[in-house]
Amino acid sequence: RKEVEQDPGPFNVPEGATVAFNCTYSNSASQSFFWYRQDCRKEPKLLMSVYSSGNEDGRFTAQLNRASQYISLLIRDSKLSDSATYLCVVNNFNKFYFGSGTKLNVKP
Amino acid sequence: NAGVTQTPKFQVLKTGQSMTLQCAQDMNHEYMSWYRQDPGMGLRLIHYSVGAGITDQGEVPNGYNVSRSTTEDFPLRLLSAAPSQTSVYFCASSQGVGSYEQYFGPGTRLTVT
Repeated sequence: RKEVEQDPGPFNVPEGATVAFNCTYSNSASQSFFWYRQDCRKEPKLLMSVYSSGNEDGRFTAQLNRASQYISLLIRDSKLSDSATYLCVVNNFNKFYFGSGTKLNVKP
Repeated sequence: NAGVTQTPKFQVLKTGQSMTLQCAQDMNHEYMSWYRQDPGMGLRLIHYSVGAGITDQGEVPNGYNVSRSTTEDFPLRLLSAAPSQTSVYFCASSQGVGSYEQYFGPGTRLTVT
């Protein structure tokens, strides 16, 4: 079983749409959680950390449900520049595990 | 700051050859790691280091060696290249584990024929 699972997409949405990505993780002892963004043929970059209380950064909201071992990312008012692959990342005891990524295409 | 640098950017090897992928960071980060990224599989951890002189295995360590003699450098050595090692390799560093952000280098695209 994979440590982190994500829907690969692609999600094709119009500009201005709201889109939600989900991720599940298998190890209940996991300690920290993140969403990274990866543009085509580029390195991943941190989008935001995810906390149990939920956190928001502008148009982006991340939620963590430890009981269900589930992480979500909500993007409101999608922009063309949001087109990328979004990676769910989980940390267990010095090791980081990445989901395979969810591809988002925002269309004009 | 240059951040995390990797060399080379591209490399073609023949089966059985060995080589070293270089990684350096100038942020005085304690934690460094190597990943490979294959299509549809996300990034998988090869080896990591929590400080100079300390290394440990990740998910997919077979066929790779690492060393960490300084805080700044974390080279990855392919012992005897195989076509299954064709991939994009990313090096990353962070202040520590836990909630710290990882900073990635630009990657090395390796093809083994």
